[in-house]
Amino acid sequence: EPEVTQTPSHQVTQMGQEVILRCVPISNHLYFYWYRQILGQKVEFLVSFYNNEISEKSEIFDDQFSVERPDGSNFTLKIRSTKLEDSAMYFCASSLGLADSNTGELFFGEGSRLTVL
Amino acid sequence: AQKVTQAQTEISVVEKEDVTLDCVYETRDTTYYLFWYKQPPSGELVFLIRRNSFDEQNEISGRYSWNFQKSTSSFNFTITASQVVDSAVYFCALSDFTVGGYQKVTFGIGTKLQVIP
Repeated sequence: EPEVTQTPSHQVTQMGQEVILRCVPISNHLYFYWYRQILGQKVEFLVSFYNNEISEKSEIFDDQFSVERPDGSNFTLKIRSTKLEDSAMYFCASSLGLADSNTGELFFGEGSRLTVL
Repeated sequence: AQKVTQAQTEISVVEKEDVTLDCVYETRDTTYYLFWYKQPPSGELVFLIRRNSFDEQNEISGRYSWNFQKSTSSFNFTITASQVVDSAVYFCALSDFTVGGYQKVTFGIGTKLQVIP
């Protein structure tokens, strides 16, 4: 069964360092997302991406964050200068079609745990 | 604004008992989608069900069943004859129908279910 894969599974970094989290969405999917879950809290929307541009971003997604689809398979989340409060599990997700279609199911990856020291 | 409320933060049941996880949502949209996800201790998000707002039929899948009641804005999840492997955090989530079709999913805080052998 096709799946969304994320690397690394866990990354530890020092405050102020740049971090890139990588995701390989399901190959024929068109819509890509990043969500975040601070330990013990709910999952929060960060950003959606379609047709090589951001569709919507939350207020969490400030100038320190950026997303990119550098090639036909990867979808990356970059945090330019990490802060302690960026420590969280980051989930990548993708969907084939529109939300209102039969292909709108959202598939999540297994998550990348980021620890900022 | 969308909101998902899971009033039960933690539930403990003895194996083989039935358990219902409550979910109440708020949205101004007439078209929306409701989800349940399971997050086992390993941390990944496992999709359980997606239901659109026009489909109020209850659904049963093995030991799992869902009761969608639009009149009370509830989408409750029942596990019949619970098993230890059901122990996890369960998230109810809501996605509106946005222009462009992408999915900005609002998650509830989650209900931690512990099934005791």
